[in-house]
Amino acid sequence: SQQGEEDPQALSIQEGENATMNCSYKTSINNLQWYRQNSGRGLVHLILIRSNEREKHSGRLRVTLDTSKKSSSLLITASRAADTASYFCATDAVENRDDKIIFGKGTRLHILP
Amino acid sequence: DADVTQTPRNRITKTGKRIMLECSQTKGHDRMYWYRQDPGLGLRLIYYSFDVKDINKGEISDGYSVSRQAQAKFSLSLESAIPNQTALYFCATSAGAEQYFGPGTRLTVT
Repeated sequence: SQQGEEDPQALSIQEGENATMNCSYKTSINNLQWYRQNSGRGLVHLILIRSNEREKHSGRLRVTLDTSKKSSSLLITASRAADTASYFCATDAVENRDDKIIFGKGTRLHILP
Repeated sequence: DADVTQTPRNRITKTGKRIMLECSQTKGHDRMYWYRQDPGLGLRLIYYSFDVKDINKGEISDGYSVSRQAQAKFSLSLESAIPNQTALYFCATSAGAEQYFGPGTRLTVT
């Protein structure tokens, strides 16, 4: 069952612009993570935000979490060609046994030169 | 060397054949996972294991089986492959919330 749903499905922006993608989820969570996947490769963990946190930064990444709206956003500032990838949110729902995480379908980000 | 390795990286097989995908890790993590990814979709959990004696079904375990031969090794088997098992398969490990992924195995069943 799909817990997280990313929006938009695809996004194209000019290099240097900021990219924002969103994730909505259905049930209460312990934490939410964002992963990046370059074409056909394994996912790479970017950042984790816990349910009691509202904002977190890592380099050019900024993640927010609004538990009242059950949504999160990932902002990539000053985008680069190397940021071209798919981005997935993954949620650890409170109701889940064994701390399993459930991935959304992802946002495909394309940085135009 | 990569922390999580998968073999083979690509495989084409015929309907009805048995196939095994292997995963090894050097991270020393107890938790290991198998996922499949279909085009335009996220990852779906097939099986997961929290130690050698602990194996659990995920969201889509039908048609698959697993073996945890050691802390570092977790294999996924398709007993009788069918075309709708054509997908990208990923192994992952974790010690906590963050998961570390292998490079993937692209499996095609004809």
